[in-house]
Amino acid sequence: AQSVTQLDSQVPVFEEAPVELRCNYSSSVSVYLFWYVQYPNQGLQLLLKYLSGSTLVKGINGFEAEFNKSQTSFHLRKPSVHISDTAEYFCAVSDLEGGSEKLVFGKGTKLTVNP
Amino acid sequence: NAGVTQTPKFRVLKTGQSMTLLCAQDMNHEYMYWYRQDPGMGLRLIHYSVGEGTTAKGEVPDGYNVSRLKKQNFLLGLESAAPSQTSVYFCASSGRTVCYFGPGTRLLVL
Repeated sequence: AQSVTQLDSQVPVFEEAPVELRCNYSSSVSVYLFWYVQYPNQGLQLLLKYLSGSTLVKGINGFEAEFNKSQTSFHLRKPSVHISDTAEYFCAVSDLEGGSEKLVFGKGTKLTVNP
Repeated sequence: NAGVTQTPKFRVLKTGQSMTLLCAQDMNHEYMYWYRQDPGMGLRLIHYSVGEGTTAKGEVPDGYNVSRLKKQNFLLGLESAAPSQTSVYFCASSGRTVCYFGPGTRLLVL
């Protein structure tokens, strides 16, 4: 079964600084990879996805992620964060071999952007 | 197009009571899922369905039952609620690749 590890449970940064949220997944033949964002007291919103093709994926709000198959990683980056990026971020993997396309989530990384 | 909706938004139960959470989607998706979210645990899959009339167990199915009688609805039942089921419950649906989530149901079991 797939598993996802988000290496940092909390990441504090200052406004306009760059940020990287790290995600590793267990190896599989093929996977889909996702990052979701959850603002306080809200549901989950898709930030970006990797299905196939280019390993650099761009998402909403200026975020991007790079799929690295050899490292089994899918780290999320933003070159300059805003206060409004304060949220919890979840990395998820869809196990294509399972046939049901159910998502397995990491435990989340709380990003706090300070002024 | 409302996407994924959940009813109710918030509920308080006493230990041993039962309740049903309703999820509805209007995107004609085949796959539907129930997750629970607990602090520091991420989202964990309770049950899921790959089509009308089918259900399957996820990672944490004990104490829950589900039904998918209609394609657009996925019900999650708690027959005898326990304090350990205090959580935020999210429903999601998927066509082929992307899961769309509902706004969540906050459940408190006393």
